[in-house]
Amino acid sequence: EVQLLESGGGLVQPGGSLRLSCAASGFTLSTYATSWVRQAPGKGLEWVSGISGSGDSTYYADSVKGRFTLSRDNSKNTLYLQMHSLRAEDTAVYYCAKDHTYNYATSGYYSDYWGQGTLVTVSS
Amino acid sequence: DIQMTQSPSSLSASVGDRVTMTCRASQSISTYLNWYQQRPGKAPELLIYAASSLRSGVPSRFSGSGSGTDFTLTISSLQPEDFATYYCQQTYTAPPITFGQGTRLDIK
Repeated sequence: EVQLLESGGGLVQPGGSLRLSCAASGFTLSTYATSWVRQAPGKGLEWVSGISGSGDSTYYADSVKGRFTLSRDNSKNTLYLQMHSLRAEDTAVYYCAKDHTYNYATSGYYSDYWGQGTLVTVSS
Repeated sequence: DIQMTQSPSSLSASVGDRVTMTCRASQSISTYLNWYQQRPGKAPELLIYAASSLRSGVPSRFSGSGSGTDFTLTISSLQPEDFATYYCQQTYTAPPITFGQGTRLDIK
């Protein structure tokens, strides 16, 4: 059974840093692309970042580029989202998702499994 | 980036009703369009991929159609568990991936 378990959320001051983790089970991260999607309180879904199955390619939304870094530890089958220079507008529930593709090279991929999310609150 | 626009932003309906919601892309995306359901306080769940392919286990009352820039999600006979927010998503291009702003379906 595929499962994704996010952790690492919490309260952080503006300008601070936080690292989110997403532990995967039931599949191997190196065989599928995975991504992070966030949802601000009362708002819609916003794609944040993705990494290919090979780990060679990472992608970021313009809103987080240069501040967030996506990485992976294959030995732990865990995905990480390192977030720096956090802003109030980064406050959201962050979901990790397994994408039904290896490297986003072919159109038509989709997120077939999602974690339950972890809440990040940026506030003084 | 490709922009996705959903309409209406909200709608009210009753159990047993047939409802349709739409999603429009700012440029042609062929049939690379997915639909997700999100119940309150829960993670999104994939319903339909490639515009009209029903995910395994999703009830057949859900259906999707469209190609190019205009897409629809139809629920043929609403059930109590269908009251949720629905999002479309385009995956025509490599990331960044874009979602529509969502359509909230409420009980009338």
